[in-house]
Amino acid sequence: GQQLNQSPQSMFIQEGEDVSMNCTSSSIFNTWLWYKQDPGEGPVLLIALYKAGELTSNGRLTAQFGITRKDSFLNISASIPSDVGIYFCAGPDNYGQNFVFGPGTRLSVLP
Amino acid sequence: KAGVTQTPRYLIKTRGQQVTLSCSPISGHRSVSWYQQTPGQGLQFLFEYFSETQRNKGNFPGRFSGRQFSNSRSEMNVSTLELGDSALYLCASSSIQQGTGELFFGEGSRLTVL
Repeated sequence: GQQLNQSPQSMFIQEGEDVSMNCTSSSIFNTWLWYKQDPGEGPVLLIALYKAGELTSNGRLTAQFGITRKDSFLNISASIPSDVGIYFCAGPDNYGQNFVFGPGTRLSVLP
Repeated sequence: KAGVTQTPRYLIKTRGQQVTLSCSPISGHRSVSWYQQTPGQGLQFLFEYFSETQRNKGNFPGRFSGRQFSNSRSEMNVSTLELGDSALYLCASSSIQQGTGELFFGEGSRLTVL
């Protein structure tokens, strides 16, 4: 089935730094969703992308739908301690039956 | 507008027992999906219910079952619990069938099997 890969798997950054992470697939996705999950909580939807090339912002977060439809990027500017968590990308499979989730990028922010 | 509500938040069971978890979707949402999350396996899709019908099912044994009521609330049941069933069980709701809209998750039910 379709799979999503995320990189990096984990990252440690200093507070105030910008962060960039990506999500890739060998197959085309028509929607990209980015979620953040805090420890012990459910994932929270951050940004949804529906069109190739689309660039969408949500506060300090910016995500882009890759032109090839096989990747997406999430950037966080001026990181703060509450940005700590796991960031997941997701998208509906080609049959529109299911959402496929990436394995996540674990972000740690050092003070 | 209230979010997705899952109960209970935490529970401890022993091997062989069964457990029922409950999920109330966002008002107006008709699709409810269930996921199992473990550190090693990530988010694994269990099943989706839409208008009281199971629309799709993941690759889990028959011990995992679910249902949806006319008010869109959903329950999932795990029978004959095994140690490996320890996980965070997440419910997600959507206004339309999964795979075409946005998923909104609850806080999860943390199940520990001893």
